[in-house]
Formats: sequence, C-alpha cells, structure tokens
Amino acid sequence: GESVGLHLPTLSVQEGDNSIINCAYSNSASDYFIWYKQESGKGPQFIIDIRSNMDKRQGQRVTVLLNKTVKHLSLQIAATQPGDSAVYFCAENNFGNEKLTFGTGTRLTIIP
Amino acid sequence: GAVVSQHPSRVICKSGTSVKIECRSLDFQATTMFWYRQFPKKSLMLMATSNEGSKATYEQGVEKDKFLINHASLTLSTLTVTSAHPEDSSFYICSARDWGRQGAGDEQFFGPGTRLTVL
Repeated sequence: GESVGLHLPTLSVQEGDNSIINCAYSNSASDYFIWYKQESGKGPQFIIDIRSNMDKRQGQRVTVLLNKTVKHLSLQIAATQPGDSAVYFCAENNFGNEKLTFGTGTRLTIIP
Repeated sequence: GAVVSQHPSRVICKSGTSVKIECRSLDFQATTMFWYRQFPKKSLMLMATSNEGSKATYEQGVEKDKFLINHASLTLSTLTVTSAHPEDSSFYICSARDWGRQGAGDEQFFGPGTRLTVL
C-alpha cells in the first residue's frame, strides 16, 4: 500500500549546527505535506507544511524542500537548539482525503 | 488559536473495565476529529475519523465495538475503550481541523495525548 517513510531513525547534531531530516513518500497523488515535532509524552506539534505546487517553503529557522520527481521531502532546521530535540514526523495527504499518513519518525538529538 | 485538549492525560485501569477519553477543540468548532494510536517509539496510526452528528469511520482492522467513538457536538469527541485489556495500553491522540479559521489550511491540530495503561 501507500506509505510514507523516513531514511534515518535517529540523528544527532551538535548544538548550533544545521540539521536535515529526510522523508520518502510513495503516493504520487499526495499533494500536501506536513512536518510535525513530537516531544516525549506529548502530541505532535505542527512545524511547517508545503503543497505540491511548491518546492520550497521557509519558516522561522525551518525550511521544507519537496522534490516531486523522486518523491522526497526534507526538513532543514538551522542553528539547532537543545529544544529542537524531539521526534520529527512527516505526513502527507491528497486533495479530497482528510486522512493523514504519517512516516515512521526520526529522533533528533541535539548535543550541547 | 486552534487548541485541542484531551482528558485525562493519563489513566490506569484494571483489565475488563471501560475507559473514556475526551477530545475538545477549545477555540474552534470541529466537524471532523481524528483518533490515533501510538505505540512506544512508533508512528501514529489512524484509528478512526469522528464526524459530528454521524457515525465514525473506522480504519481497517480497528474494532468499532471495542473503540466506541461519539462526536455529539462541534467541540467534543469521545473515545471509549470497552473491556480494556493490557494489549490496549497505548498513547491515544486526537486531532481536529479548524475549517473556520481565516486562511485555514489542511493541517490538523493535535491534542496532548492520553496515556492508557491497562493492568
């Protein structure tokens, strides 16, 4: 079936460095993608989203890149801080389908 | 804005009992809410879509008689785990869309989750 997956389950980054979290998706009909951050024991928190008519979108310290050719999504976090330590999930859906499909998640650890 | 709450945040119950979890949209109306289940170190799995005023739509493999969903108002959906067993222990999370917000997109806003432990 359709799936959304992540390349790496864990990622450790030195505080202050930039981090990149990757996500591969297989549903070519997906047209909306979201990155969520989940801290331990809490619900997912919306970070940034992007539609399929875009290939880049920037927020505060975060950038999402979308490559529809290879069905790849990435989240870049600039100047990482200890508070960025969490599990990051990508999720996708397509127009007319309210349901989100989540990837497997990447645990990001910021090393002081 | 777009805050979703859940109650309780944590519950421990004996095997065979039923547990009700509430999901509320605090500052917006949600005609549709979603219930997810998350096992430790795993991703979120959609259990069902809760529709205000109508029956919930369950995902394949989810027992509707075991996981009862009621969406009686535009701000409240409840999930009742009936005759709970240890294998039902999990982290249950709800979400909702804020269709009425100006410039609203398709993002779902998530509650803080409810940790259920069945002894």
